[in-house]
Amino acid sequence: EIVLTQSPGTLSLSPGERATLSCRTSQSINSDYLAWYQQKPGQAPRLLIYGAYSRATGIPDRFSGSGSGTDFTLTIRRLEPEDFAVYYCQNYGSSPWTFGQGTKVEIK
Amino acid sequence: EVQLLESGGGLVQPGGSLRLSCAASGFTFSSHDMTWVRQAPGKGLEWVSTISDSGGTSYHADSVKGRFTISRDNSKNTLYLQMKSLRVEDTAVYYCAKNAGTHWGQGTLVTVSS
Repeated sequence: EIVLTQSPGTLSLSPGERATLSCRTSQSINSDYLAWYQQKPGQAPRLLIYGAYSRATGIPDRFSGSGSGTDFTLTIRRLEPEDFAVYYCQNYGSSPWTFGQGTKVEIK
Repeated sequence: EVQLLESGGGLVQPGGSLRLSCAASGFTFSSHDMTWVRQAPGKGLEWVSTISDSGGTSYHADSVKGRFTISRDNSKNTLYLQMKSLRVEDTAVYYCAKNAGTHWGQGTLVTVSS
């Protein structure tokens, strides 16, 4: 099983600041199968990024994904008030699919 | 518009059974793999099961293998999760998702407790 480790656990930032979230996999994965999700309290997750860097439909361009191999990054260029949430990375290349434990982006 | 509507959750005793359903609309259901993901209260996301578009292939997490079965009825645009021998640790919100997670339902809560 491929383990995904996200860091930091919590990121305290102010609106307008840049957020950089990390996702490290326990072994090299095909970047075609690395996704990022946003989840707000009481809501279902929402797909942000698939294939490591492709934005899903309707996702603002302040969200960007990068990385390959074992190291992947989600960057939020300038935080908007609605961006404060929990973010998960996911490997869906082969069973078992796995999620990282999440990074909470909170208002400083 | 893609819509996924889960149902069937509720309170069940340890060792009991439950069947979840996910009614899909707004896309060609029979052309897409479907997935169940769960989230225990206050915890992160856990992949549970995935089934191919035809229903011919399915995968389950080790934590549910032998107890849960994913299936689908393409004539009814409906995805299912049959859960047996339920444990307290199966308590979670269960989400159905299109493909790996392009679209998600609102979730249905399963509580396993005596």
